[in-house]
Amino acid sequence: DQQVKQNSPSLSVQEGRISILNCDYTNSMFDYFLWYKKYPAEGPTFLISISSIKDKNEDGRFTVFLNKSAKHLSLHIVPSQPGDSAVYFCAASANRIQGAQKLVFGQGTRLTINP
Amino acid sequence: NAGVMQNPRHLVRRRGQEARLRCSPMKGHSHVYWYRQLPEEGLKFMVYLQKENIIDESGMPKERFSAEFPKEGPSILRIQQVVRGDSAAYFCASSPAGASNQPQHFGDGTRLSIL
Repeated sequence: DQQVKQNSPSLSVQEGRISILNCDYTNSMFDYFLWYKKYPAEGPTFLISISSIKDKNEDGRFTVFLNKSAKHLSLHIVPSQPGDSAVYFCAASANRIQGAQKLVFGQGTRLTINP
Repeated sequence: NAGVMQNPRHLVRRRGQEARLRCSPMKGHSHVYWYRQLPEEGLKFMVYLQKENIIDESGMPKERFSAEFPKEGPSILRIQQVVRGDSAAYFCASSPAGASNQPQHFGDGTRLSIL
């Protein structure tokens, strides 16, 4: 039962253009969503998050959009840079539920930024 | 380094041996989470602990696996009588006490290989 899905295993984008990574979820109890970036042989690095009371959160080149009715979120990176090449994981949790802060991860999308 | 510290980074065990993985959370964090990542997959939740308490162990196999987070010292994930299927990357994350909508921060993981 894959509660968080990233349907694109890979994405290739030209340097300077916009990268859009997508994520879908099925559990309506999820109320906190995060994006992590991961390089090989390292742990996931937190990028940006959004609470379910918002539909957009922006931090520098990174913006996360949340569409609760569609149970869909996306990460926009603009402009894309070569250092953005990594695997990106979407994650969700149900923070309203006591003790339920565990993260449920998608399978990841490998982003490659081409010079 | 004020980040989440995991050791060892790499651990090799023969089938039937015990594996002990250690995690020191970020300074000021008292919540610890363990996740496992199999090749080409996302991270899967195993266990959530606070100091001296297991809050949620729903993702941990019932047999051979145990976790603790003592009052003093690091959190320990223990795998007894390891089998080939235990080969994976094990990641620890931490978050502040009473955190709601606070991201979990990850260590660089322990790569466990079973011969």
